[in-house]
Amino acid sequence: DVKVTQSSRYLVKRTGEKVFLECVQDMDHENMFWYRQDPGLGLRLIYFSYDVKMKEKGDIPEGYSVSREKKERFSLILESASTNQTSMYLCASSLSTIYNSPLHFGNGTRLTVT
Amino acid sequence: GQQVMQIPQYQHVQEGEDFTTYCNSSTTLSNIQWYKQRPGGHPVFLIQLVKSGEVKKQKRLTFQFGEAKKNSSLHITATQTTDVGTYFCAGPQAGTALIFGKGTTLSVSS
Repeated sequence: DVKVTQSSRYLVKRTGEKVFLECVQDMDHENMFWYRQDPGLGLRLIYFSYDVKMKEKGDIPEGYSVSREKKERFSLILESASTNQTSMYLCASSLSTIYNSPLHFGNGTRLTVT
Repeated sequence: GQQVMQIPQYQHVQEGEDFTTYCNSSTTLSNIQWYKQRPGGHPVFLIQLVKSGEVKKQKRLTFQFGEAKKNSSLHITATQTTDVGTYFCAGPQAGTALIFGKGTTLSVSS
């Protein structure tokens, strides 16, 4: 069974801090994604990657960057955290064709920026 | 840009009643996927529909893909308390990846 592991379940950071959210998948999936989930707004795509060292912007990339140095690991970086980035962050991976393959999600990281 | 819209946003039913959520896209979709998120959990893939007019069943759940491949529905027959959660549809957006509807949150009282 696919396992997508996010390093922290809960995280509290201060405004202006640099924040790293880590995600690891164990099934050799090609594609990895970062979504954020907010009440009433559903899941919104921040960034995704279809190969090592490749990254593509999603719908809301502002204030975020990503890193994929190894196939199994996809990191989301908040360069200077702000209170409007308080949210649930979900990492996901998928096997092959980026538009057709089901997503496997991690348990999420609930980030609070104070 | 492309949008995927879901209605209703919330639905409360008595156990044993039926439930339906609808998903509409502004553009034709190559496929549509459905996910369920239990309270406190993460979205879990339920099913993918690919063909125009396709109907698939999973026990009490029936999924349909419209003839024009722009809309879809999920129908649950005789809801149970285990059906509680938020149901999302998701479709591929050209140039990016899957975009999700805002979800329908189902609550069930016994």
